[in-house]
Order: sequence, then structure tokens, then C-alpha cells
Amino acid sequence: QKEVEQDPGPLSVPEGAIVSLNCTYSNSAFQYFMWYRQYSRKGPELLMYTYSSGNKEDGRFTAQVDKSSKYISLFIRDSQPSDSATYLCAMSEAHAGNNRKLIWGLGTSLAVNP
Amino acid sequence: DAGITQSPRYKITETGRQVTLMCHQTWSHSYMFWYRQDLGHGLRLIYYSAAADITDKGEVPDGYVVSRSKTENFPLTLESATRSQTSVYFCASGQGYEQFFGPGTRLTVL
Repeated sequence: QKEVEQDPGPLSVPEGAIVSLNCTYSNSAFQYFMWYRQYSRKGPELLMYTYSSGNKEDGRFTAQVDKSSKYISLFIRDSQPSDSATYLCAMSEAHAGNNRKLIWGLGTSLAVNP
Repeated sequence: DAGITQSPRYKITETGRQVTLMCHQTWSHSYMFWYRQDLGHGLRLIYYSAAADITDKGEVPDGYVVSRSKTENFPLTLESATRSQTSVYFCASGQGYEQFFGPGTRLTVL
């Protein structure tokens, strides 16, 4: 079983819908949680970065962390065709020393249809 | 231009040849990373570096060599390319736990 699980989709929604993307994890020591967006044939782009628990909002995007359930979510409000991409979650423990390795989900493919 | 760049963007080579992929960042980030991305496997860490002259193995280091003599550069060398190394390679840099990615190099080994 992988440390981070993410449903690969594809997820297809109509324009304007609220999108919910999720990752589950098994390591209770994870403290840093990130969501990346990757357009086809491009590099991943950092969308949201959360430390420990709680919610973080940035425009149409909200990231939630539920450490008791080992579950993180990314919500996209008023989804647009330009949101069509693969969304990757990544997370890490708080490491001493030089270790800054992230554990990655495989990504969820999202298509927003006009 | 500020940011992180990779070169070449596309490369076709033959089995057994040595190939070097370049990565350059202008943010003066301490950390740099090399990943490969393959269908079904997602992003896999090859090597990373915490500072100039400090490097460490990731998940899939076999067949790859890295060096970091300057903070801004982190080249990745495939000493003797194999077909299994056909992939998209991403370089990233960061200062804390966030990582910022380059545009990628698409490598094909024939």
C-alpha cells in the first residue's frame, strides 16, 4: 500500500461546478501538505501549501487538512475549463537536517466541460 | 529571467550513450531536486541536493549521477542510457518544503 493514495480519475464536471479532490495518507507524522496543478506537457505548479491542520483559502481554491482522518482535500469553486489539468497532492514530515523529500500522490485528472 | 530552466527540452539518444540534462535556477534556493515522471508511477525522486557539494539519493538513483558545484546549477547525467530511462525529467528547487518545478526535459532512448 502506498503512503499517499489519490484517485486517478478522470473526473469530468460541467463548468461552474464545485470540484472536490482528495488524498488519503497513512503516515501520521506528515505535517506539510501541498497541492500542485500540472497542465499537459508542463511542469507541476504549486497551488496551495498548508502546515499542519485546518483550512486555507486562495481565491476559488480551498485546501483542507484533517489529520485525525489522515485526509486532505482541495476544493475548486466555480470551476472553469482552464482548471482542466492533473492535480497532485504531496506531503512531508518535519525533518531534521537536510531531508526535504516529498511523498507524492499519483494525481487526479480533471476535465471541466464548457 | 528569474525562475528555473531546463535544457534541452527534448532529447533523443541511443542506448549506451552518455546524456547530461541541465537545470539552472535564479532564486538562490538551497534545495534542488531531480524527478522522473512516468505513466502509472507518478513523480519519482532520483536525487536531491541540500546545498552546493551536498547530494543524496532519492527513490530511483541507479544509472544516474549528479553534481552541484554551484548553488544555481544541478546537472543530471545518465552514464550509459537505457531504454527504461525514457521518461520526462523534471528539475525543482526550493528553500523549505515547497518545491518549484522547471518545464521538463522529454528524453527518448532508442
